[in-house]
Amino acid sequence: EAGVAQSPRYKIIEKRQSVAFWCNPISGHATLYWYQQILGQGPKLLIQFQNNGVVDDSQLPKDRFSAERLKGVDSTLKIQPAKLEDSAVYLCASSLVGGSSHEQFFGPGTRLTVL
Amino acid sequence: RKEVEQDPGPFNVPEGATVAFNCTYSNSASQSFFWYRQDCRKEPKLLMSVYSSGNEDGRFTAQLNRASQYISLLIRDSKLSDSATYLCVVNTGKLIFGQGTTLQVKP
Repeated sequence: EAGVAQSPRYKIIEKRQSVAFWCNPISGHATLYWYQQILGQGPKLLIQFQNNGVVDDSQLPKDRFSAERLKGVDSTLKIQPAKLEDSAVYLCASSLVGGSSHEQFFGPGTRLTVL
Repeated sequence: RKEVEQDPGPFNVPEGATVAFNCTYSNSASQSFFWYRQDCRKEPKLLMSVYSSGNEDGRFTAQLNRASQYISLLIRDSKLSDSATYLCVVNTGKLIFGQGTTLQVKP
């Protein structure tokens, strides 16, 4: 079974530039998550989608971050404009159904460096 | 105070040793609990769920103490391949990850 796919794997940009990340969850998984993992910390949830609807975006910095999952399958996360503190690994995860008691499967992540 | 607290380590142990990691959480309404494993520069993967009755999976034993809001992971007979970061995870309606405890098993 194919896992969660993410691209690009690495991205280096300068501050104030824009960047977008793409995620394709495991086939049939209704719930999709975006996490931010800063070096030395655990992943922090940015946004959760159930199909194409947002379930939780309380920790998404909405002045600069946006995410969409238009057809309820793949998703994009955008940062505009980027700040130095956005340097992190952005992990996408999916689960079969909603409710965080279900196992979440993570993609390999996109490592973002903001200079 | 962090919602989920772990000692970041690193814990350096010889092969065959028994090692225990602890984790505390602040939200008494937390619903479920997990340990995830994260290898260096890789994604987290579920290691095991944690139940009040305790649960065991081979060399790994997890315990939950709801009264003390405390979770533990015991690894017996450590292998070189156990070297990784172990993330304590609490479900409060969403998953809250601790910062992780790094284990390095030496030959």
